[in-house]
Amino acid sequence: GQNIDQPTEMTATEGAIVQINCTYQTSGFNGLFWYQQHAGEAPTFLSYNVLDGLEEKGRFSSFLSRSKGYSYLLLKELQMKDSASYLCAVRDPRGGYQKVTFGIGTKLQVIP
Amino acid sequence: KAGVTQTPRYLIKTRGQQVTLSCSPISGHRSVSWYQQTPGQGLQFLFEYFSETQRNKGNFPGRFSGRQFSNSRSEMNVSTLELGDSALYLCASSLADNEQFFGPGTRLTVL
Repeated sequence: GQNIDQPTEMTATEGAIVQINCTYQTSGFNGLFWYQQHAGEAPTFLSYNVLDGLEEKGRFSSFLSRSKGYSYLLLKELQMKDSASYLCAVRDPRGGYQKVTFGIGTKLQVIP
Repeated sequence: KAGVTQTPRYLIKTRGQQVTLSCSPISGHRSVSWYQQTPGQGLQFLFEYFSETQRNKGNFPGRFSGRQFSNSRSEMNVSTLELGDSALYLCASSLADNEQFFGPGTRLTVL
């Protein structure tokens, strides 16, 4: 089965750095996604990791360790508009087809 | 390039009724996935269609079904609606395996 854990809520200060962790236990693994979802809106793609290491994209970076079943999303120079839910999702290639399982999401509040 | 569109955006139904939701993927995308999102359960995978074939299915009862047409547009149907089916239903399309583009969703309320 699939189990994805991430903190439910986090609070950080504008201009600071925040790290959102995600751990997963899955029977198969073929990539990990991070999505951002503002309240009342659809999720938008942030990053995709399939190999171990750090992927940097502007203020956002994502890290993956497949041996540890662990990923984190790093947000630098936080802005008020970064207040949103951040969803970790794992793709499982069981059966030869692609299936994505999402965590419950981490609600990040950025305060002045 | 137009994004993923979903219709209707909002829907109110009563228990026992059935509902059909529609999703038009980004032009050229052949894979369409459907998700149910509720505050307590988060995003849960319903099914994925590729070239008119259901490739994968989540753990939902048979009341939830879907199909995909030759132009890649997809519909999902929920029969015999229950109160617990109230949720945001999201559709996502993809061209490659490394990114999904989500539509705005259909918010279904079952009374």
